[in-house]
Formats: sequence, structure tokens, C-alpha cells
Amino acid sequence: GQNIDQPTEMTATEGAIVQINCTYQTSGFNGLFWYQQHAGEAPTFLSYNVLDGLEEKGRFSSFLSRSKGYSYLLLKELQMKDSASYLCAVRDYGQNFVFGPGTRLSVLP
Amino acid sequence: DSGVTQTPKHLITATGQRVTLRCSPRSGDLSVYWYQQSLDQGLQFLIQYYNGEERAKGNILERFSAQQFPDLHSELNLSSLELGDSALYFCASSVSGSSYEQYFGPGTRLTVT
Repeated sequence: GQNIDQPTEMTATEGAIVQINCTYQTSGFNGLFWYQQHAGEAPTFLSYNVLDGLEEKGRFSSFLSRSKGYSYLLLKELQMKDSASYLCAVRDYGQNFVFGPGTRLSVLP
Repeated sequence: DSGVTQTPKHLITATGQRVTLRCSPRSGDLSVYWYQQSLDQGLQFLIQYYNGEERAKGNILERFSAQQFPDLHSELNLSSLELGDSALYFCASSVSGSSYEQYFGPGTRLTVT
């Protein structure tokens, strides 16, 4: 079956670093995506990993280990505006997107 | 503003009815995706079109259908509506069928009473 797991909620302090983990079991693997979604808004694309390793994009980095079915999103120098839900998604061999339940991140002053 | 437009913003209808949701992709994007987001199910991929052809199919019910027209806009048709179909429906677009960066529209909130 298709399954993606993420922590439901996380809390961190402004200026800190937070790591959001994602584990997956899907029918094949054709890329892993991270999206940010503020309450009441549409998701916005953050990162894409298809090969093992770390992809860095400003304050955001994403890591992938295909052999472990594991990814994480690293957010540095947290800002209040980073309070949002973070969605992990995998594209399988059928080009189907499978989304995790999302991690709600609260950044406190 | 992602450049993807969706109409209507809100839709309230009764069980058993049929509705059509419309999406216009960003200028130059050939691929359109439809998603459903509800509180209990999270974000679910429904279907993808690329340049008028169906490219990938996800958890789309038989009561739902979609198409992409020659001008690249897309419509999602939902019929025999049930209370459980109440959700936020997002459309997204990308440059090609295999592009990894998708741009989401603001969504259509459907309420079935």
C-alpha cells in the first residue's frame, strides 16, 4: 500500500533550526516533494529530491535517502512567517502523487 | 499570486447535484493537476492532464471526471454529489508533464448540503 508518515505537530522558537521528517512506502519512487501551506491558502512548492543527498535552497534544505524511504526538510533561522503546514509527497511509478498528512509547525517568539 | 486561476471561489449545492469547477493554468504551462483537500483525508491527487491528454490518474471517483481543452484550461466535473465531497479543490499547473514544480491556484471551496 501507499503510506507516508510525518509528525502531526512541531513547535520551535524564532531564529532556531527545525527538522521535519518524512518516511514513505509507495509503489515505486519517482521523486519526493515538499510543500508549504499556510492556513486557508494553497500549497506552495518548496523542494524536490529524486537522488539521494541534500538539496539546499536558501534557508530551506531537503534531504533524501531512497534506501531508507526517508526524507527531511530543514528550516534554518526560523521566522514567524514559517508557521504553516509542511506537506511531504511522493510521486510513484504510475505518476500518482501521494501526500503525507502534513506537519503543522508553530514558530514562537 | 501563482498565475493559476480557479472559478468559482465558493460553491454551495445540494446532494445529488452536479457541478463544474474551472481552472486556467499559468501562461505557457501545458500540464494541469487536480487535487482534493478535506480535513479528514488531507491533500489527495485526483488527475493530471498534459496538453489535452490524460497523463496520470489518482484517487478520482467514477462520479468525477475532468478534461483539458485546446486552450489548455481544464474543468473538473463532480456529479451525484454526496456530503463527503465537501472539500477544497485545487488546480495546479506546470510547464511540462514531468516538471517537478507545480503552481497551485487559490482553490474552490465546495460545500454539499
